[in-house]
Amino acid sequence: GENVEQHPSTLSVQEGDSAVIKCTYSDSASNYFPWYKQELGKRPQLIIDIRSNVGEKKDQRIAVTLNKTAKHFSLHITETQPEDSAVYFCAASQGAAGNKLTFGGGTRVLVKP
Amino acid sequence: GAVVSQHPSWVICKSGTSVKIECRSLDFQATTMFWYRQFPKQSLMLMATSNEGSKATYEQGVEKDKFLINHASLTLSTLTVTSAHPEDSSFYICSARSGRASNEQFFGPGTRLTVL
Repeated sequence: GENVEQHPSTLSVQEGDSAVIKCTYSDSASNYFPWYKQELGKRPQLIIDIRSNVGEKKDQRIAVTLNKTAKHFSLHITETQPEDSAVYFCAASQGAAGNKLTFGGGTRVLVKP
Repeated sequence: GAVVSQHPSWVICKSGTSVKIECRSLDFQATTMFWYRQFPKQSLMLMATSNEGSKATYEQGVEKDKFLINHASLTLSTLTVTSAHPEDSSFYICSARSGRASNEQFFGPGTRLTVL
């Protein structure tokens, strides 16, 4: 089955700096890669996603890049703000397997004011 | 749109009892619902995939007789933790997918289960 590795597990940045989180996946059939933000005790919230026919996607301060050949994808947050502090999860899924998501281990991001 | 609710939001029960958690899609019909378990400071682990009108598909290592899943309608799936033990204490989260052509999953707010 699919295996998703996420790094780093914790990330501390100064407000205004950029944060980058990287994930690798094992199954070349995976074609959908969402990123979720989860605050303590809350549900995961989709912040951006990318499909395998696209190499990059941007939404305001958030961008995701995908390298299908290397099987890795990254989340970039620019101009970080204290409210960006949360746990971020990457995930991968493939349509043939019932669209089930395999999650990375998560990255705890702390933005220091 | 695409709102998923869960009930209860938290529950405390005695060891040996059973607990039922409901997951509802409020404004769409969910052909598929997923149940996850999340231990403190850990990732979401898929327990099972639930398709309306058919038996759930359980992930390896998840006991189907202990975690009973019923998906009786396109808007409701239930997870029953039978004979709960302290090690079953966790955050249980469901998600729903609106259609077979859709990848996106919408998550419920989660249920925190504490077994004494």
